[in-house]
Amino acid sequence: GAGVSQSPSNKVTEKGKDVELRCDPISGHTALYWYRQRLGQGLEFLIYFQGNSAPDKSGLPSDRFSAERTGESVSTLTIQRTQQEDSAVYLCASSLGGGGDTEAFFGQGTRLTVV
Amino acid sequence: GQNIDQPTEMTATEGAIVQINCTYQTSGFNGLFWYQQHAGEAPTFLSYNVLDGLEEKGRFSSFLSRSKGYSYLLLKELQMKDSASYLCAVRDSGKSTFGDGTTLTVKP
Repeated sequence: GAGVSQSPSNKVTEKGKDVELRCDPISGHTALYWYRQRLGQGLEFLIYFQGNSAPDKSGLPSDRFSAERTGESVSTLTIQRTQQEDSAVYLCASSLGGGGDTEAFFGQGTRLTVV
Repeated sequence: GQNIDQPTEMTATEGAIVQINCTYQTSGFNGLFWYQQHAGEAPTFLSYNVLDGLEEKGRFSSFLSRSKGYSYLLLKELQMKDSASYLCAVRDSGKSTFGDGTTLTVKP
């Protein structure tokens, strides 16, 4: 596609339910990133994929959070047993590679609200 | 650990020049990025520095001093549309760590 696509754009879920967020990166981009942004705050790193491997999962806040990537393309971020503190915008970005001056292109994000 | 500091808010006048500073302390360094983020939108790339010095791109310039762990973004001839949040990010081994951003308000 022309850009990074995320779905859904908005998700309202009840506390305790599981949610799955999807990211379609730019075709050919090997690096993929997930960030979380709470209202009025900066971007909090969650996880980074190079190809289908995740060399850095250090940002995942708890074992309720997991992510996978298949075919060096689509990635899904899964949050189990959602809590109100999980409410935020979840941003996905992709870049040609993981190093150098390769800029990251961001999707529009998924706004998650846990009620 | 990673620590990136930026001022929270700045205000400037249309047509003026503004400098947004960023200081960082990170375990590794593979380059520093500046992104612009308008309210409710995704961040968009502005600049990249990996060597010391100034990179100029139109009305925007970015400076880096690796020895001081310091960067700034310079915006010239400010326009109302420049009102946005400006995010400093340091890349280390693939991932980028972001600061909390500086909200710039441009007034007429």
